[in-house]
Amino acid sequence: QQQVKQSPQSLIVQKGGISIINCAYENTAFDYFPWYQQFPGKGPALLIAIRPDVSEKKEGRFTISFNKSAKQFSLHIMDSQPGDSATYFCAAKHQGGSEKLVFGKGTKLTVNP
Amino acid sequence: GAGVSQSPRYKVAKRGQDVALRCDPISGHVSLFWYQQALGQGPEFLTYFQNEAQLDKSGLPSDRFFAERPEGSVSTLKIQRTQQEDSAVYLCASSLDEQTRNQPQHFGDGTRLSIL
Repeated sequence: QQQVKQSPQSLIVQKGGISIINCAYENTAFDYFPWYQQFPGKGPALLIAIRPDVSEKKEGRFTISFNKSAKQFSLHIMDSQPGDSATYFCAAKHQGGSEKLVFGKGTKLTVNP
Repeated sequence: GAGVSQSPRYKVAKRGQDVALRCDPISGHVSLFWYQQALGQGPEFLTYFQNEAQLDKSGLPSDRFFAERPEGSVSTLKIQRTQQEDSAVYLCASSLDEQTRNQPQHFGDGTRLSIL
């Protein structure tokens, strides 16, 4: 059972465009939603995170939009650059109990120059 | 460096051999996590420690896998009688303070394990 569903699997965007990656979840006990960026041969690096009491969070060119009623959240990358080409993972964590993260399957983003 | 350090970076073993993977967390980080990442997939949780206590091992796939963190800093993930399906990247992450929830998890670059 996949607890966090991520789409699309791959995405190609032109330089300067907007990249949008979507995630959906079923478990209403999730209360923390981070996004990670991973380059080949490297570990995931935290980009930005949001809690369900906030509908949007922006850090630089990266924005998370959160829709609690729809149980969906998305990452928007504005003014996408070739250096943004990487695999992006959404994740979620349960309130209370273990601090473990549940990850989506990832989106491979390619930004063409 | 100040990041999470994992060793070895690459490990090749024959089916049936035992392997040990090491993680050095960021200094002072209380919580330590192990994840398994298959090719083209997201990381999957294996186990986590708060200091030396193993608080959650629900993700360990079989009794061939076990982890330890005896002094609350360095951790070792051991896989006994390795199988081909154990081939994956094993990621370690650490976070600062269990008392404050939702602390960022900082990942190492992983150990790529290949079982022949």
